[in-house]
Amino acid sequence: DGGITQSPKYLFRKEGQNVTLSCEQNLNHDAMYWYRQDPGQGLRLIYYSQIVNDFQKGDIAEGYSVSREKKESFPLTVTSAQKNPTAFYLCASSIGRRTDNQPQHFGDGTRLSIL
Amino acid sequence: GQSLEQPSEVTAVEGAIVQINCTYQTSGFYGLSWYQQHDGGAPTFLSYNGLDGLEETGRFSSFLSRSDSYGYLLLQELQMKDSASYFCAVTGTASKLTFGTGTRLQVTL
Repeated sequence: DGGITQSPKYLFRKEGQNVTLSCEQNLNHDAMYWYRQDPGQGLRLIYYSQIVNDFQKGDIAEGYSVSREKKESFPLTVTSAQKNPTAFYLCASSIGRRTDNQPQHFGDGTRLSIL
Repeated sequence: GQSLEQPSEVTAVEGAIVQINCTYQTSGFYGLSWYQQHDGGAPTFLSYNGLDGLEETGRFSSFLSRSDSYGYLLLQELQMKDSASYFCAVTGTASKLTFGTGTRLQVTL
C-alpha cells in the first residue's frame, strides 16, 4: 500500500543537539510539506517542496532545515537554534502539480521532546 | 497572510447533525478543505470546495461561499467515532495549506 512513513514515532533531544526527522513517501507525489502542531493548536507550515532539489520556507522556518535530494524523501532537521522544539511534527505530500483540489496525505507524525 | 476562525469546541448527541463553521481572511484563495484528526493521530482529508456550493460525501457535507469568505462542515447521523478535531484549511499558492486552530467535536450518548 502507498503511503507516508515518518520515523521515529518518538524522539528525545538534549539541549544543543540537532536531530533529523525522517519522511518517506511512495505515492509518487511531487510536493511534500512539514508541519508543526502544538497541543490544542492547528498545523503550522515549516517548509515545503514542490519538486526535487527545491524547497521554500513556510511560516515558521527559523531553527529548521530541510533537503529534497530524492522525490521520495524530505527529511527535517531541528537545529539547536530552535528554542522551543517540543511539538508533534507531521509530514505530508500531495500531487502538487495544480493548485486546486490536491488533498494532502499525512504521515503518523513524530513527537519530539526535550530531555 | 491567511487567518481562519472556527469554534474551539462543539458537543452533540449521537445520531444528531452538527455544523462546524469556518470564516477566513486570505491574500490568495483557491479552495477550502476540511480535515479530521483523532487524538494522537494524523489528519485525514474529508472534503474540498473550490467553487461555491455544497459538496456531499456520505454523512459529511461541506459548503463554501467565496463572497462571504465562509464555509462549513456538516456531519449527519453522528457516531461516537466522529469524536475528533476538525480543521478547515485554505489552499493558497503553491498548494500550500493554512489551517485553522481546529474544532474539537465531542459526541455523547
